[in-house]
Amino acid sequence: SFELTQPPSVSVSLGQTASISCSGDKLGDKYICWYQQKPGQSPVLVIYQDVKRPSGIPERFSGSNSGDTATLTISGTQTMDEADYYCQAWDSTTVAFGGGTRLTLL
Amino acid sequence: EVQLVESGGGLVQPGRSLRLSCVGSGFTFDDYAILWVRQAPGKGLEWVSCVSWNSDIIAYADSVKGRFTISRDNAQNSVYLEMNRLTAEDTALYYCAKALRTITVIGNSLDAWGQGTMVTVSS
Repeated sequence: SFELTQPPSVSVSLGQTASISCSGDKLGDKYICWYQQKPGQSPVLVIYQDVKRPSGIPERFSGSNSGDTATLTISGTQTMDEADYYCQAWDSTTVAFGGGTRLTLL
Repeated sequence: EVQLVESGGGLVQPGRSLRLSCVGSGFTFDDYAILWVRQAPGKGLEWVSCVSWNSDIIAYADSVKGRFTISRDNAQNSVYLEMNRLTAEDTALYYCAKALRTITVIGNSLDAWGQGTMVTVSS
């Protein structure tokens, strides 16, 4: 089965840029999306088709995908961005989620 | 407002069955694929199953294949997940989620999620 690998945790200082990676075999050939999940809440889509933001998602969220790695970048990280982030991709007719990355503000 | 509401969860003994329901509102239900995703306590997201708008495409994770069955009734704006031969490893919060783009299922993102229904498998 297709596997996506994320770092378990990433730390960032308030106002700085956070980068969360997601790796998988030839991931750049697939579309990646990213979800944000805060404690006790359902996931929220923050990036789809590698780089697109749904309406209502702040511009500080951006994405990229090339080679074997996709990256979610949060510029000017705010306190409200502290959450778990999951990448997701399709492999044929199955869905793969990364293991999730906890973003912590220092 | 787009809404998805799951129901049917509860405490069930190992080996028994349970049927989850997901009712959608606020969008044209029969235009969109629906997926089930689960999250064990303190763990990450795990895809379970998906069904296309017309039930033409149905797929399952290996971990549930042969035990779970997904179906939908567009007249009732509902998707169901029939879960058989449950084990402790099936204990999780089960979310249903709506595909972002109409008609397609493969390659889609999930732009609306329900609050989930908890399934606990224990004797």
